[in-house]
Amino acid sequence: GQQVQQSPASLVLQEGENAELQCNFSSTATRLQWFYQRPGGSLVSLLSNPSGTKHTGRLTSTTVTKERRGSLHISSSQITDSGTYLCARNNAGAKLTFGGGTRLTVRP
Amino acid sequence: NAGVIQTPRHKVTGKGQEATLWCEPISGHSAVFWYRQTIVQGLEFLTYFRNQAPIDDSGMPKERFSAQMPNQSHSTLKIQSTQPQDSAVYLCASSFLGTANTEVFFGKGTRLTVV
Repeated sequence: GQQVQQSPASLVLQEGENAELQCNFSSTATRLQWFYQRPGGSLVSLLSNPSGTKHTGRLTSTTVTKERRGSLHISSSQITDSGTYLCARNNAGAKLTFGGGTRLTVRP
Repeated sequence: NAGVIQTPRHKVTGKGQEATLWCEPISGHSAVFWYRQTIVQGLEFLTYFRNQAPIDDSGMPKERFSAQMPNQSHSTLKIQSTQPQDSAVYLCASSFLGTANTEVFFGKGTRLTVV
């Protein structure tokens, strides 16, 4: 089965609304790493953390490795936040296993 | 820090030709990874090196694909006798290994189109 599952697969928001993206993984992980990608664009690392919560700007990543889940919260969404958000399971810098992504669309 | 550098950014090859993709990892990083991204399959792991040694090539198609890391400053992915199904964005990434704060950083990718 899929090792990393993300939900929802797609999400449409009005500008200013908050978003909560979920990531569940089926085997152990040292940390989760969140990436952002625009269509045709490169993967941009957003946040990477082991268990706990980490903030940067309007983004908050929460990881509970014992429960094999994580989430990415985007507050006060902006149109420029539109794109695909990918969660990846990371074991101490070894290979990443990616989820299928959440495609976010923020409308004016 | 220029990040992970991949060349070329775009490559078009005819069916049956060879394609070589280049990657320069972030200086000082001990691990180099190759991934492939398509709309249908998403992001797939291909192979990785640690301190230039091949560690895991479980994602590499057994025929036609090979990867090398002749020195710490570059890695290559070679595809022989390219086929249309090889068309994808090939991503190289690098990281430190074995530290608590390890993140993996990606290059901008090489878009390979086999016609």
